[in-house]
Amino acid sequence: DAMVIQNPRYQVTQFGKPVTLSCSQTLNHNVMYWYQQKSSQAPKLLFHYYDKDFNNEADTPDNFQSRRPNTSFCFLDIRSPGLGDAAMYLCATSRASATGIFETQYFGPGTRLLVL
Amino acid sequence: AQSVTQLDSHVSVSEGTPVLLRCNYSSSYSPSLFWYVQHPNKGLQLLLKYTSAATLVKGINGFEAEFKKSETSFHLTKPSAHMSDAAEYFCVVTRGAGKSTFGDGTTLTVKP
Repeated sequence: DAMVIQNPRYQVTQFGKPVTLSCSQTLNHNVMYWYQQKSSQAPKLLFHYYDKDFNNEADTPDNFQSRRPNTSFCFLDIRSPGLGDAAMYLCATSRASATGIFETQYFGPGTRLLVL
Repeated sequence: AQSVTQLDSHVSVSEGTPVLLRCNYSSSYSPSLFWYVQHPNKGLQLLLKYTSAATLVKGINGFEAEFKKSETSFHLTKPSAHMSDAAEYFCVVTRGAGKSTFGDGTTLTVKP
């Protein structure tokens, strides 16, 4: 089945130690998103890639970066995690049409990040 | 600009009774509207979506929602709640350029 895969499901890192979260998709969607979701809150969009074009949300901290080496994979890099970065990180994908219509987003299961 | 308001942070129903989760939106454009469900420690699963076709949208697991432009609402309903419906529900409005706005979520509790 086509899907969005996130590994690992749980990630533990130390305060200030760089960490990378991974997302892959078999849907062949041209848009990939990273969201941060803290406990009992709605997901918050960090950034998205439209093909190779990177779109950062204005309030996304500089500590968060992303890479998309190809259509299938997208990575979230947290350069120096702080205690406040502990959260669930959700990857999503969608297809954008030639006319710029973004279709339904499909979410992965998430990676829960714990910062010690 | 666009926004989403989920009118209830918590809804509690008994198993077998109807479910109503309320969502109001505002959007400067013709919006696409979605309902997602999230079970604990899981990702978001699409329940249903409205994209300017039929105003009554049927989704998975017996859920449906009606788009009412005059009331700027997109309430989610189910005739008979099941224990497995207990989860967090998010109403989402999306317009072009990948901009999605999430509501704050509604926690649905289903009592035996």
